[in-house]
Amino acid sequence: AQKITQTQPGMFVQEKEAVTLDCTYDTSDPSYGLFWYKQPSSGEMIFLIYQGSYDQQNATEGRYSLNFQKARKSANLVISASQLGDSAMYFCAMREGGSGNTPLVFGKGTRLSVIA
Amino acid sequence: DAGVTQSPTHLIKTRGQQVTLRCSPKSGHDTVSWYQQALGQGPQFIFQYYEEEERQRGNFPDRFSGHQFPNYSSELNVNALLLGDSALYLCASSSPGQWEGYTFGSGTRLTVV
Repeated sequence: AQKITQTQPGMFVQEKEAVTLDCTYDTSDPSYGLFWYKQPSSGEMIFLIYQGSYDQQNATEGRYSLNFQKARKSANLVISASQLGDSAMYFCAMREGGSGNTPLVFGKGTRLSVIA
Repeated sequence: DAGVTQSPTHLIKTRGQQVTLRCSPKSGHDTVSWYQQALGQGPQFIFQYYEEEERQRGNFPDRFSGHQFPNYSSELNVNALLLGDSALYLCASSSPGQWEGYTFGSGTRLTVV
């Protein structure tokens, strides 16, 4: 079974509008971390936001927020006020366990296209 | 503060050849992980090096091997290249005490012909 599922292969959003990218995860470990990365065409994976399984509040980083619904095992990324430079691949990833060096498991990604 | 540096950026090899990819971690990081990203897919974990030893390994054959040097830099070696090894190879550095801290390089794009 897939540990990270991203069901939207591609998304379009109008500039200045908000968009939600979906991510569901599967784990039996009570301690885990959830990540979102942006990958432009250059290839580099750019860290956007992190949510720990024990964090009480949803994570926010500037225009990025993570809608964490633990019971549903979902960790959707919300991008507010979309910009043309937000066009890229977006990956949801999970790290299981309490170790900071546990490898990441990635979803297949969502390609976001921002339209002027 | 330099981030993760990978070299080369692009590489073309022939089936059956061997290749070595290099990674210098972010300053302050002592752990290096390697990922393979096939076209249209998410990255897949290959292995991780810490204190010059392979600590964890994903589901990759023995043709994939690595090394970590005393300065924490790392190499990924792939022997007997197959067409299916064509991918973007990403290096990520981290440190055990940092919860959020994976920093990725821009990757090496390997094409096997």
